[in-house]
Amino acid sequence: DTEVTQTPKHLVMGMTNKKSLKCEQHMGHRAMYWYKQKAKKPPELMFVYSYEKLSINESVPSRFSPECPNSSLLNLHLHALQPEDSALYLCASSHKGLAGISGANVLTFGAGSRLTVL
Amino acid sequence: RKEVEQDPGPFNVPEGATVAFNCTYSNSASQSFFWYRQDCRKEPKLLMSVYSSGNEDGRFTAQLNRASQYISLLIRDSKLSDSATYLCVVSRGTGGFKTIFGAGTRLFVKA
Repeated sequence: DTEVTQTPKHLVMGMTNKKSLKCEQHMGHRAMYWYKQKAKKPPELMFVYSYEKLSINESVPSRFSPECPNSSLLNLHLHALQPEDSALYLCASSHKGLAGISGANVLTFGAGSRLTVL
Repeated sequence: RKEVEQDPGPFNVPEGATVAFNCTYSNSASQSFFWYRQDCRKEPKLLMSVYSSGNEDGRFTAQLNRASQYISLLIRDSKLSDSATYLCVVSRGTGGFKTIFGAGTRLFVKA
């Protein structure tokens, strides 16, 4: 069983809907991530939170809005999405340690939320 | 140019074969290096971290050459269960870690 829990596992939404993806971890990790993965492509970084503050936004369209309410939770709010946004959305977390030190920034992924936009 | 580049694959090998994956990265500020494995329709999982001194975990050996910005993974005595996509991953940063995945190399091990 994964230590990062994502809900829902599957989501179908229309282009005018507002929905949210949720991610939870209880490993004490202080960095949390959202990735987007299309079929037969690698995960593509979207956002990184460090100590509940947004530290990296990879020029993601504003129709995706991340939120980190506390150190264990990460949300991705979705609004006015396009069909091309259909993908697997992966949440991950990592220790906030010194880069290059064993164990630091090793990502633990959730099982993902598979999103279909109609 | 992509920040992390890998052999395009796929690699089709018989059981027992030795297979090598190569990866290059373009950002010299990269600090941490990994190989992840991803099975079909599953999330990526850490296979091993990669250190400049090289490291080995059973049948798997990883090496890093910082001067050449090159990372490798060697799998010896391939098993059917090794069939998966192998992702080269590079990370940098002091706040959140910017962790970038290569395109992945698909491995098929056949009986």
